[in-house]
Amino acid sequence: QLQLQESGSGLVRPSQTLSLSCDVSGGSINTRDYSWGWIRQPPGKGLEWIGTIFQSGTTYSKSSLSSRVSISVDKLSLRVASVTAADTALYYCARFRAYSRGRGGFDVWGQGKMVTVSS
Amino acid sequence: DIQMTQSPSSLSASVGDKVTITCQASQDINNYLNWYQHKVGKAPKLLIYDAFKLETGVPSRFSGSGSGTDFTLIISSLQPEDIATYYCQHNEYQWGLTFGGGTKVEIK
Repeated sequence: QLQLQESGSGLVRPSQTLSLSCDVSGGSINTRDYSWGWIRQPPGKGLEWIGTIFQSGTTYSKSSLSSRVSISVDKLSLRVASVTAADTALYYCARFRAYSRGRGGFDVWGQGKMVTVSS
Repeated sequence: DIQMTQSPSSLSASVGDKVTITCQASQDINNYLNWYQHKVGKAPKLLIYDAFKLETGVPSRFSGSGSGTDFTLIISSLQPEDIATYYCQHNEYQWGLTFGGGTKVEIK
């Protein structure tokens, strides 16, 4: 059974870069059938999609975050540059299953990693 | 990115009640919509995709409908284990996989 586990620093200073990885067990990252994504949830707020990366390396990300977000497929890593307090959130990695061309959903999720941006 | 608006933001219902949650897209998204269930302290769970298709293992009391800009998630008979926040999501990644704001479902 596929399991995902987010890891990385739980405290990041303002203006620095947030870095997280997603460890996959019970399956492989390198499969044509699935892609991978990152989602976050600020305290007391709803889910916010950050980005999705495909095996080809093609990435789609939320337009308001795209200039600061970098996702790598080889280690399923997420980097968010120039963070502020608004980036404080529970960060999830998840498997993206494509239903058909251009569409899909997140069908397996990690438990999340809380990241706080504070000096 | 296409905006997704859910209503209500929260609701309280009794066990056995029919619960209806709506989701509105800022433009026509055909039937390209997912629904997730998110319980406190747990990872979100994909319930429904393409507006009405149930994920494997999801109880039949959950159903989805709609197309274009207006969508509905129905729980036909609310159970205690359904207490959660429910999110809709536009599922076309080239347009941004935007989530709605969420609907918190509680037991009265």
